[in-house]
Amino acid sequence: QKEVEQNSGPLSVPEGAIASLNCTYSDRGSQSFFWYRQYSGKSPELIMFIYSNGDKEDGRFTAQLNKASQYVSLLIRDSQPSDSATYLCAVKGYSSASKIIFGSGTRLSIRP
Amino acid sequence: GAVVSQHPSRVICKSGTSVKIECRSLDFQATTMFWYRQFPKQSLMLMATSNEGSKATYEQGVEKDKFLINHASLTLSTLTVTSAHPEDSSFYICSASVSVLRNSPLHFGNGTRLTVT
Repeated sequence: QKEVEQNSGPLSVPEGAIASLNCTYSDRGSQSFFWYRQYSGKSPELIMFIYSNGDKEDGRFTAQLNKASQYVSLLIRDSQPSDSATYLCAVKGYSSASKIIFGSGTRLSIRP
Repeated sequence: GAVVSQHPSRVICKSGTSVKIECRSLDFQATTMFWYRQFPKQSLMLMATSNEGSKATYEQGVEKDKFLINHASLTLSTLTVTSAHPEDSSFYICSASVSVLRNSPLHFGNGTRLTVT
């Protein structure tokens, strides 16, 4: 079992709709969760991070965390063509020395 | 803030030569930096953790004699790919955290696309 799992996609969403990206992780001791966006040929850029159960909103983005289910998601409202990218879920353990483990990413395509 | 600069962005070299990639934290000090490699359509794979003033920690399967890491200052880490071969062609990305606190996210450099001919 992979430590951080994501559906590779592609996930196709019409412009203006809500895109929902999901991620599960295997280490129950994980404490910090990150979403990165990576455009083709570019390096990842941080979108959001979440540490506590529940929802965290930042503009059009909402991260949701459920530690009991070991599940974290990212919602993108009012999807735009510029949101088309690969979204990487990343998880970090409890200690400051823990490595950040990345999922394989979900490719999102917003169709006009 | 939290800018990580990586140089060069693209390099083409001949098989058997060595290539050095630099990673700098511009507006913060990083005692630890991370080097990732990404092959086309694959996810990021951690190669090694670069520690300022001490030896790097390599992930399983990564040859430390081939991928030399030097972290001589709090703002600079270098990765040297020695005796490069075509299979080393990949996208190399460095990253660092602003803080050692457990919740601190990684910030990435722009990456170096290495092509070995």
